[in-house]
Amino acid sequence: KAGVTQTPRYLIKTRGQQVTLSCSPISGHRSVSWYQQTPGQGLQFLFEYFSETQRNKGNFPGRFSGRQFSNSRSEMNVSTLELGDSALYLCASSLEADEQYFGPGTRLTVT
Amino acid sequence: QKEVEQNSGPLSVPEGAIASLNCTYSDRGSQSFFWYRQYSGKSPELIMFIYSNGDKEDGRFTAQLNKASQYVSLLIRDSQPSDSATYLCAVEDSGGSNYKLTFGKGTLLTVNP
Repeated sequence: KAGVTQTPRYLIKTRGQQVTLSCSPISGHRSVSWYQQTPGQGLQFLFEYFSETQRNKGNFPGRFSGRQFSNSRSEMNVSTLELGDSALYLCASSLEADEQYFGPGTRLTVT
Repeated sequence: QKEVEQNSGPLSVPEGAIASLNCTYSDRGSQSFFWYRQYSGKSPELIMFIYSNGDKEDGRFTAQLNKASQYVSLLIRDSQPSDSATYLCAVEDSGGSNYKLTFGKGTLLTVNP
């Protein structure tokens, strides 16, 4: 069974721009969670989607948003990028948001 | 703010020894607990999950859970250099914030040949 895929793997953006990241979950998984990982803060929860509905959201500003499509693929968007948004963005898929399997991540650098 | 605490390490053990990784959590209602392994430059990999008090064994790995003490641990027997990685403890939030995992900041394990 294919694992979680994320595109793009690497991204360089400048301050003020916006970015969209994509995640395709494991086949049959309907829950997709997004996390931000930085050396100082570790893994922090952004939001979780199940069957196109956001069920939970972390403590991030409204510049961070996401959505899920009917095929369970998910996207997250960050608008008005700041230097502090530089991080590894990880998505994880699961059947019910319990045992979560991570994709390889998207490394975002904001300059 | 729900918290998951881990000793940041580094924890250094010789090859063949038992490595013991510990984690405490603040959410008394949590029911699901996970251990992830993350190699440098890679994404986290799920290696163990435990839902009931007691021990759960899978190969060289044993997860131990004590809900009364709000404590979960991971033992790695016969440690190998390939086990050198950061180990992340994750706890599923209870109540209205479920469908969310809170992660500790991880313990760096080094297994010396």
